[in-house]
Amino acid sequence: DTGVSQDPRHKITKRGQNVTFRCDPISEHNRLYWYRQTLGQGPEFLTYFQNEAQLEKSRLLSDRFSAERPKGSFSTLEIQRTEQGDSAMYLCAPLTITDTQYFGPGTRLTVL
Amino acid sequence: GESVGLHLPTLSVQEGDNSIINCAYSNSASDYFIWYKQESGKGPQFIIDIRSNMDKRQGQRVTVLLNKTVKHLSLQIAATQPGDSAVYFCAESPSNTGFQKLVFGTGTRLLVSP
Repeated sequence: DTGVSQDPRHKITKRGQNVTFRCDPISEHNRLYWYRQTLGQGPEFLTYFQNEAQLEKSRLLSDRFSAERPKGSFSTLEIQRTEQGDSAMYLCAPLTITDTQYFGPGTRLTVL
Repeated sequence: GESVGLHLPTLSVQEGDNSIINCAYSNSASDYFIWYKQESGKGPQFIIDIRSNMDKRQGQRVTVLLNKTVKHLSLQIAATQPGDSAVYFCAESPSNTGFQKLVFGTGTRLLVSP
């Protein structure tokens, strides 16, 4: 148990629909990271938060993606007008006080 | 550019053997390295980490070796067990990004036969 939950664990949607994922760390963490992982590949950085502030975005994060962390605890990642290429595992990872990123179980998105 | 790669995509070992998984990195600015284990359908699980001021670090049944001269990282698993079967990723954190972004390789699949 990494102390991070993600919801939903699986999401199947049709192309063009909007989806939202949630990441809930059990304890407080100043920094929280989002990654995307496609089959057979390692996770790729998407974005990260320092408390409520989103400080860095990867070029992988197109205009259809938006992330929030309104209270500096849980975070949401929304994808609008989903495309088949968005199919992937979306992972969040809070940064612990030892500067280690512990990953949540991920949300597996399948876009039909 | 940044890249973290692995020499062997699949490693098959017998239960009880020692396993060595290798990783090469290209960013000399990286100062923090982590090994993760990932089982099917799950998120990456932290195994062990090492900072660039160290050459070796040991955990329970695992040892990470860092050779900064040749930019090489390895994970040694002693007395490999069937439960160790998974995909293993090395990740580096370039210090010049300022925000500890992790750069992952493509992974090595470890298969442990009873």
